[in-house]
Amino acid sequence: QITLKESGPTLVKPRQTLTLTCTFSGFSLSTSGVGVGWLRQPPGKALEWLALIFWDDDKRYSPSLKNRLAITKDTSKNQVVLTMTDMDPVDTATYYCAHRTTVVRAFDYWGQGTLVTVSS
Amino acid sequence: QSVLTQPPSASGSPGQRVTISCSGSNSNIGSNYVYWYLQLPGTAPKLLIYRDNQRPSGVPDRFSGSKSGTSASLAISGLRSEDEADYYCSTWDDSLRGPVFGGGTKLTVL
Repeated sequence: QITLKESGPTLVKPRQTLTLTCTFSGFSLSTSGVGVGWLRQPPGKALEWLALIFWDDDKRYSPSLKNRLAITKDTSKNQVVLTMTDMDPVDTATYYCAHRTTVVRAFDYWGQGTLVTVSS
Repeated sequence: QSVLTQPPSASGSPGQRVTISCSGSNSNIGSNYVYWYLQLPGTAPKLLIYRDNQRPSGVPDRFSGSKSGTSASLAISGLRSEDEADYYCSTWDDSLRGPVFGGGTKLTVL
């Protein structure tokens, strides 16, 4: 059974750096074809993809946020970490991590999401 | 502004058939599979359709997907009250080198 769970601060101040951790079970990020992505959804708005990391450490970033994002994995801990610098109130959103494979090519399992509010 | 274009809303009565469209371009829908997600209020998205028209295990056959050129559609037949949710289309964009999403369609069951 594949599960994912996001953790991190619920409140960050403007210009601070956000660090979110995705802890997962039921799969290994060292298995060929497996990836974990981060996505977000501002209140009442659409989904937005942020970053993706694959089993071979291939990393992809949203072009519009590339300069602010970093994604890493710790295979031994079954964790993926996303950092986003220079946070702004417009970054207030529910942040999700999700499982992906190169076979299905979709986010087929999602975490419950974590709401991050950016406010002074 | 989302890369893929969906109507913001759709509606239908119980038992009816509803379709939701998703429009893109050659760099995304035109050259990659389309995926559909369902999001109930206050919950995470759930994969509904993958590879244009495939249903994951557990998704009723009332849901079907299709694609033609740079557009795709999700059809829901035998509409039920529990189908009331937000629906998102998604695909890979070769120019952006990553997944892209539509703006979402809020389905109301009258």
